[in-house]
Amino acid sequence: DAGVTQSPTHLIKTRGQQVTLRCSPISGHKSVSWYQQVLGQGPQFIFQYYEKEERGRGNFPDRFSARQFPNYSSELNVNALLLGDSALYLCASSLWGLAGGDTQYFGPGTRLTVL
Amino acid sequence: AQKITQTQPGMFVQEKEAVTLDCTYDTSDQSYGLFWYKQPSSGEMIFLIYQGSYDEQNATEGRYSLNFQKARKSANLVISASQLGDSAMYFCAMSFPGNTGKLIFGQGTTLQVKP
Repeated sequence: DAGVTQSPTHLIKTRGQQVTLRCSPISGHKSVSWYQQVLGQGPQFIFQYYEKEERGRGNFPDRFSARQFPNYSSELNVNALLLGDSALYLCASSLWGLAGGDTQYFGPGTRLTVL
Repeated sequence: AQKITQTQPGMFVQEKEAVTLDCTYDTSDQSYGLFWYKQPSSGEMIFLIYQGSYDEQNATEGRYSLNFQKARKSANLVISASQLGDSAMYFCAMSFPGNTGKLIFGQGTTLQVKP
């Protein structure tokens, strides 16, 4: 079975632009989470979606938004890009998006560079 | 506040030897989950092992074992018989009860396996 897939792999944008990142979960998984990983740090939680509903949101500005589609794929949108948005954006999928043993499996990430 | 601490920025181990990566956590919750992920230079986060806070036995997955000491709030990862392919960044992460599977990550430990 295919793992979590993300597109694009790399992206270069300039300040003020908008970007959309895409994620397809593992087949059968209904929850998708997004994380931002700045170089040299651990990932930081941005959003979690389950059955198209936002279930959790991290401490990120309103420039960040996301949605989940009926096929459980997801998009992360970032508006008015800042230099500090340069990071690896990781998508993770899980069966139910619950705490405990509902393991999150990550995709390869999208590396965003903002110039 | 919930927090994960990994105090070893970098570790070296000789091939075929065992190595322990430290992880301590801070929470007042009684129910939580602990995870270890491996992140090679390619960027993808690979799930290694999970331990639930109520699990009485330490988790094991092949060459990986989790040394869970609840009273000391530590969840160290032990890798036995290190291989060159184990060279990567390793992250300890924690999830909490509720209807969100948000993970909180530590800063990571870089492991280098020497031939």
